[in-house]
Amino acid sequence: AQSVAQPEDQVNVAEGNPLTVKCTYSVSGNPYLFWYVQYPNRGLQFLLKYITGDNLVKGSYGFEAEFNKSQTSFHLKKPSALVSDSALYFCAVRDLGGFKTIFGAGTRLFVKA
Amino acid sequence: ETGVTQTPRHLVMGMTNKKSLKCEQHLGHNAMYWYKQSAKKPLELMFVYSLEERVENNSVPSRFSPECPNSSHLFLHLHTLQPEDSALYLCASSQDLGGGAPGDTQYFGPGTRLTVL
Repeated sequence: AQSVAQPEDQVNVAEGNPLTVKCTYSVSGNPYLFWYVQYPNRGLQFLLKYITGDNLVKGSYGFEAEFNKSQTSFHLKKPSALVSDSALYFCAVRDLGGFKTIFGAGTRLFVKA
Repeated sequence: ETGVTQTPRHLVMGMTNKKSLKCEQHLGHNAMYWYKQSAKKPLELMFVYSLEERVENNSVPSRFSPECPNSSHLFLHLHTLQPEDSALYLCASSQDLGGGAPGDTQYFGPGTRLTVL
């Protein structure tokens, strides 16, 4: 069965510092991996996805994520955090042939000025 | 904002009321979804529709009844809800179901914040 784990409920980082939000997954076969962000009183917004190809995926707002097959991870990163990046971040996985997207529980990111 | 709208944005109802949530997508997508988002829990997939046919009912209680009259509209009819049903209900759409296009991105509406008293 597919599953996604976001081991941190909350990540705190100072503005200007690099940030990492962790995600590990379990899926049979090749995974399709996604990151979404949710700002207060909003729905989820797509950030980036890994389908195939380069392990480093670049997305919206300067975010990127690295697919690591051996560690079954897909951590979200940004070189320099902004206060406006503070939000709830969801990792998600879908397997080839499946139509269900399984979401993690979310990680709340706080960026302090 | 995202091409997916939901109404109402907020809803307070008693356990004996009947209400409906509405979702509309303006993206020309073929698949639509209802999710339940509760605090500190993963998003729970409730229902999936593809070309107006329900393809997934994820063990959702019968007090939730979906309706998809066309590929642009999705409703969630609510009756005799319980306080534990209070949550944010999110609608999403994607071009197609994942089987043929597993890399399809889902586009979400802003959600309806439901409170059951």
